[in-house]
Amino acid sequence: EVQLVESGGTLVQPGGTLRISCAASGFSFTTYEMNWVRQAPGKGLEWVSYISQGGATTSYADSVKGRFTISRDNAKNSLYLQMNSLRAEDTAVYSCARSSSSWPNWYFDLWGRGTLVTVSS
Amino acid sequence: SSELTQDPAVSVALGQTVRITCQGDSLTTYYSSWYQQRPGQAPILVIYGKNNRPSGIPDRFSGSSSGNTASLTITGAQAEDEADYYCNCRDSSRDHVVFGGGTKLTVL
Repeated sequence: EVQLVESGGTLVQPGGTLRISCAASGFSFTTYEMNWVRQAPGKGLEWVSYISQGGATTSYADSVKGRFTISRDNAKNSLYLQMNSLRAEDTAVYSCARSSSSWPNWYFDLWGRGTLVTVSS
Repeated sequence: SSELTQDPAVSVALGQTVRITCQGDSLTTYYSSWYQQRPGQAPILVIYGKNNRPSGIPDRFSGSSSGNTASLTITGAQAEDEADYYCNCRDSSRDHVVFGGGTKLTVL
């Protein structure tokens, strides 16, 4: 089955660190660009970060740049998000999403169900 | 603040046609994609590119674009279409990806 399954979300204190993971299965992980997208409780979708197929190219939303790091391990079909200096406003469900881009098209064609990260003292 | 603008809420009578719009400068460079999200569920891609539907998406969903505005049209809305809808595209000027704020669709 083609799917993405996130894990690692938990309660963490402000200023703390956390690494969340996404396990991919059912497709050729190495051939796809990947992303993290988050959704705060009751709010809309917010793109967080992108990584290219081989991992050489990354990009980040302004709200997390310098604090979060995206990475992938193609041998393990896994995507990661290292989150440092966490703030209350980072509280959200974090989902990994597979993307396809061929100008002028850009879209997320596969989503995981997400993992909840709560930042609170 | 979101760089793609959507109306927060739209309603449609059962079986009627509804259009959900999305505005933003990024849409002059990339096509918008559209996602349906029901409560407690992951988003689902419903339209991408000029007007493409992934496998399994009913043909009552269609997309269009003109200038800096993209539209998602549901022709003959069904009760199960009641959901939040988000537009999305790439902002190539900043190498970012942007979402609209979302439109809550109510089917009356």
